[in-house]
Amino acid sequence: QVQLQESGPGLVKPSETLSLSCTVSGGSMSRTHWSWIRQPAGKGLEWIGRIYTSGSTHYNPSLKSRVTMLIDTSKSQFSLKLSSVTAADTAVYYCARFTYGSVNVFDYWGQGTLVTVSS
Amino acid sequence: QSALTQPASVSGSPGQSITISCTGTSSDIGAYNYVSWYQQHPGKAPKLMIYEVTNRPSGVPDRFSGSKSGNTASLTLSGLQAEDEADYYCSSYTSNSTLNVLFGGGTKLTVL
Repeated sequence: QVQLQESGPGLVKPSETLSLSCTVSGGSMSRTHWSWIRQPAGKGLEWIGRIYTSGSTHYNPSLKSRVTMLIDTSKSQFSLKLSSVTAADTAVYYCARFTYGSVNVFDYWGQGTLVTVSS
Repeated sequence: QSALTQPASVSGSPGQSITISCTGTSSDIGAYNYVSWYQQHPGKAPKLMIYEVTNRPSGVPDRFSGSKSGNTASLTLSGLQAEDEADYYCSSYTSNSTLNVLFGGGTKLTVL
C-alpha cells in the first residue's frame, strides 16, 4: 500500500518561498508521475503540476512562473517550491501519485498540509 | 471558475438515489474516457471512487456508479447512507497541452 506524507512549514511570509516535501513509502517511485494539488479553505481542488521519476516536469500554466518541482528517488521524496507567495496561496497542499498516461487519476494521496501565507 | 461544471449541492434521504453531473467540453469529457470521481470528507484527503468513467477501485461499494453522455459525466449513488455525506469532485484528462487534468468545482452531498 503506497503511502504519502507531506512535510514543511505551516506558515510562510508574503513574497517568500513556500517549500514542501512529500515522502513516499510502501512502493517504488520508479516509472511513475507524482503531483501536487492544493485546496484553499472551502474551495475546490487545483492541480499544481507533475514530476516524473526522470525529473521531467509539467506545471499548471497559471502557476508555472513560480513553481519548481524536484524529485530524489534515493530518498523516496519529491518536493514543491512556490515563490513570491501571497495570501492567495494559502491552502491545504496535497501530494499524490498521478497515473498520467494510463488511467490518469490520483490514486494515492497524502493527508495534506495547511500552509498559511501571513506576516 | 472551474473548468468542469458541477452543481454546488445535492441532497437525498437515506436509501434514496442521487446523481451528480459534471459538464465539460469536447476537449476533455467528450473526447476521452478518463473521467474520475473523488469523495472528500471534511478535513480528509480526496479518495478515488470512480475511474475511466465507470470503474470502481477495489473496496468502493457498488452503490457508486459512473456514466457519461457526450460532454457530461455523472456519478450516481444508490441506497444513500449517512457516511456518503461528503464533497464530490469530478476530474477529466484534457487534450489541452498546457494542462493535464481538470477538476470540477465540487458538489456537497447532504444526506437528510
